[in-house]
Amino acid sequence: ETGVTQSPTHLIKTRGQQVTLRCSSQSGHNTVSWYQQALGQGPQFIFQYYREEENGRGNFPPRFSGLQFPNYSSELNVNALELDDSALYLCASSAGQAGNSPLHFGNGTRLTVT
Amino acid sequence: DQQVKQNSPSLSVQEGRISILNCDYTNSMFDYFLWYKKYPAEGPTFLISISSIKDKNEDGRFTVFLNKSAKHLSLHIVPSQPGDSAVYFCAARSYNNNDMRFGAGTRLTVKP
Repeated sequence: ETGVTQSPTHLIKTRGQQVTLRCSSQSGHNTVSWYQQALGQGPQFIFQYYREEENGRGNFPPRFSGLQFPNYSSELNVNALELDDSALYLCASSAGQAGNSPLHFGNGTRLTVT
Repeated sequence: DQQVKQNSPSLSVQEGRISILNCDYTNSMFDYFLWYKKYPAEGPTFLISISSIKDKNEDGRFTVFLNKSAKHLSLHIVPSQPGDSAVYFCAARSYNNNDMRFGAGTRLTVKP
């Protein structure tokens, strides 16, 4: 069973730039969620994708956007980067949208905005 | 709006003893609760879960207890092992909501 994989592992960007983070879901999982984890805090829900459509969104501005592809892999795009966007970005896949389906996380992408 | 709280940022226990990690929540709509473990440079790993129809769930050395009236969740690890040293996150959501809320984490150190 292949787990959730994310790329790249680390990234340094300049304020105002755009970034794309990638995620391959665990085999058999059709739902992908993205989380932002700031230092010393728990993960915060950005959004979820199911059947290639956004299926719920947390308290993040529209410059955070995403895609899900037919093979269930996903991208997170962040435009007009701000210093506060520096965080660990976690992708998680699950076998369902909600219910009693635990999230299975990748190792994350550490984004630093300077 | 922190709906899930872990009030102890750290906990240190001796190998072989019990570790008890605590979590409180405020949203009465939550009905699915989970614990995750996180090692440095890795993503959170799912450990154990419990739905609101139960008050206890066991999996080997790990037991999760749910007290709905107190809106309190705890994770017991018995016996604790040095390899259990990690950050533990409590998480919760309602059954039909995909927004899973996490606590800030408790760093557990198990001393040999």
